[in-house]
Amino acid sequence: DGGITQSPKYLFRKEGQNVTLSCEQNLNHDAMYWYRQDPGQGLRLIYYSQIVNDFQKGDIAEGYSVSREKKESFPLTVTSAQKNPTAFYLCASSIAGPNNEQFFGPGTRLTVL
Amino acid sequence: GENVEQHPSTLSVQEGDSAVIKCTYSDSASNYFPWYKQELGKRPQLIIDIRSNVGEKKDQRIAVTLNKTAKHFSLHITETQPEDSAVYFCAAPTRDTGRRALTFGSGTRLQVQP
Repeated sequence: DGGITQSPKYLFRKEGQNVTLSCEQNLNHDAMYWYRQDPGQGLRLIYYSQIVNDFQKGDIAEGYSVSREKKESFPLTVTSAQKNPTAFYLCASSIAGPNNEQFFGPGTRLTVL
Repeated sequence: GENVEQHPSTLSVQEGDSAVIKCTYSDSASNYFPWYKQELGKRPQLIIDIRSNVGEKKDQRIAVTLNKTAKHFSLHITETQPEDSAVYFCAAPTRDTGRRALTFGSGTRLQVQP
């Protein structure tokens, strides 16, 4: 099953630690996105990238950072500056632009201990 | 930021009945309106979308209608089945991302009672 993958599925972090979530796609998509999902709040956009070496902040970028060095990869780092990082994180990709179907990864559930 | 508001937050129907979920958006220049379905423990998947040059689109038991004047669009599911039970999200591209990314609604949990 190719497409878009995320790892790990579950992640536990101690307060004050940075942690990096992996997102890889083999769909040859230019655009990639990171969302945070909390109960009752839908999908909130953290960062997005339309092309390699370029990315933009979404609605809730504070406390997060990303890189886009390769077309296939868009890792998300949750820093110690993120005050409430426990959540379910979803990565997605699409052909260029938002007016196209987004394909989601299986998600990573991050828990801060 | 731009809003995409979705109602209701929960919806319970009897099997065979119809279900309607409505979303409103604030950016009058938005031109693409997808609906995603997320089953329990699974990733969201696109079920239908509509572009601003049409007012309605159907795919078997699901349809989406768009009213650009009122800035709202709705998902209609007819002859509901237990497997339609899921969380449904609407979305639209918004001005504060240069319309390069989607803003999602808060979701509707649909429960189809057998």
